Amino acid sequence: TQLLEQSPQFLSIQEGENLTVYCNSSSVFSSLQWYRQEPGEGPVLLVTVVTGGEVKKLKRLTFQFGDARKDSSLHITAAQPGDTGLYLCAGALGNMLTFGGGTRLMVKP
Amino acid sequence: SQTIHQWPATLVQPVGSPLSLECTVEGTSNPNLYWYRQAAGRGLQLLFYSVGIGQISSEVPQNLSASRPQDRQFILSSKKLLLSDSGFYLCAWTENTEAFFGQGTRLTVV
Repeated sequence: TQLLEQSPQFLSIQEGENLTVYCNSSSVFSSLQWYRQEPGEGPVLLVTVVTGGEVKKLKRLTFQFGDARKDSSLHITAAQPGDTGLYLCAGALGNMLTFGGGTRLMVKP
Repeated sequence: SQTIHQWPATLVQPVGSPLSLECTVEGTSNPNLYWYRQAAGRGLQLLFYSVGIGQISSEVPQNLSASRPQDRQFILSSKKLLLSDSGFYLCAWTENTEAFFGQGTRLTVV
């Protein structure tokens, strides 16, 4: 059983469309991060959210941490082919960093 | 600045052979270190983590083991590989719970 559930698992959209990826858990996390991974490489940190209800923006990406610090969402506006990749959420519990199952995004030109 | 090195990048090993993957971190002291395994296109499964020299916590019972002989060195080992050990192995260190990953090792057991 995955501690962090990500949805959807796969997403294929056209360039210019908007999308939202969800990360849900029954556990409360001290912080939650989003990573993006290219094939054959390690994940790269995009953002960390710490406070319940926090919203962070990174260009066309908007990240939100749930009020209860159990869930998070990633919204991409006007997706571009360069956004293609595997998006992973990760929750921190003490020294442990637990990852979700990932969302594979493909943006077609 | 901190850097993490992981090698080799790719490895093809026969079933029953031993394994040793090495990870070293530069530019920081007493880091928390992690080994993850990733199935194709999926999330990361935590295998081992270490908060200090000789301190190893195992998350998944299996035929893999880990050791931390030096502060900034983390080694993943196996005495006899299984086909199911194939995957993408990632080493990481954390700062304030944010993880920084190595380039990964693609292991294929044949």
